[in-house]
Amino acid sequence: KQEVTQIPAALSVPEGENLVLNCSFTDSAIYNLQWFRQDPGKGLTSLLLIQSSQREQTSGRLNASLDKSSGRSTLYIAASQPGDSATYLCAVRGSGGYNKLIFGAGTRLAVHP
Amino acid sequence: EAGVTQFPSHSVIEKGQTVTLRCDPISGHDNLYWYRRVMGKEIKFLLHFVKESKQDESGMPNNRFLAERTGGTYSTLKVQPAELEDSGVYFCASSPSTDTQYFGPGTRLTVL
Repeated sequence: KQEVTQIPAALSVPEGENLVLNCSFTDSAIYNLQWFRQDPGKGLTSLLLIQSSQREQTSGRLNASLDKSSGRSTLYIAASQPGDSATYLCAVRGSGGYNKLIFGAGTRLAVHP
Repeated sequence: EAGVTQFPSHSVIEKGQTVTLRCDPISGHDNLYWYRRVMGKEIKFLLHFVKESKQDESGMPNNRFLAERTGGTYSTLKVQPAELEDSGVYFCASSPSTDTQYFGPGTRLTVL
């Protein structure tokens, strides 16, 4: 049974810091991995999707890497800003023919000025 | 392009009552998913439609939950009768293929 763990559960940093959020999964047989952002009371916004054959994806100040064999992904946020404050969720889709996403509990990020 | 929409945004009902949640996917998306987050837990998958057919309903907790997607457009999720443990946020997502899933804002359900 696939399990997804995110570390740390919460993070508070001053503006301008570079951050690394971690995601690990127990079953390396994944189809893809998706990083989301959730603002309080809002839905999930897709940030990056990495296919199982890829090693990383980049979008602006965000970079996500994937090491499928070790069951790990990291989300790197460069030069953090207060507007980056949100909960970041990692989700994996298994390779068994089903599309369902298995989510981690998230990392709650606060970036203060 | 309009995103995934869900109605209502909030619902407060008493135990034993019936509630119906609605999801309108992004136009043209054949795949529609329901997920939920109960208090303090991770977001959990409920079921997946491809057009009007249920592709995977392995996450449906019990037979008090009924999902439909008549005509392959919008979907409804009915809870009947609602129990206290059904409280949480119900998310709908859609996708054109097997890749990126686009999520709606969620419906917050409170069962008293």
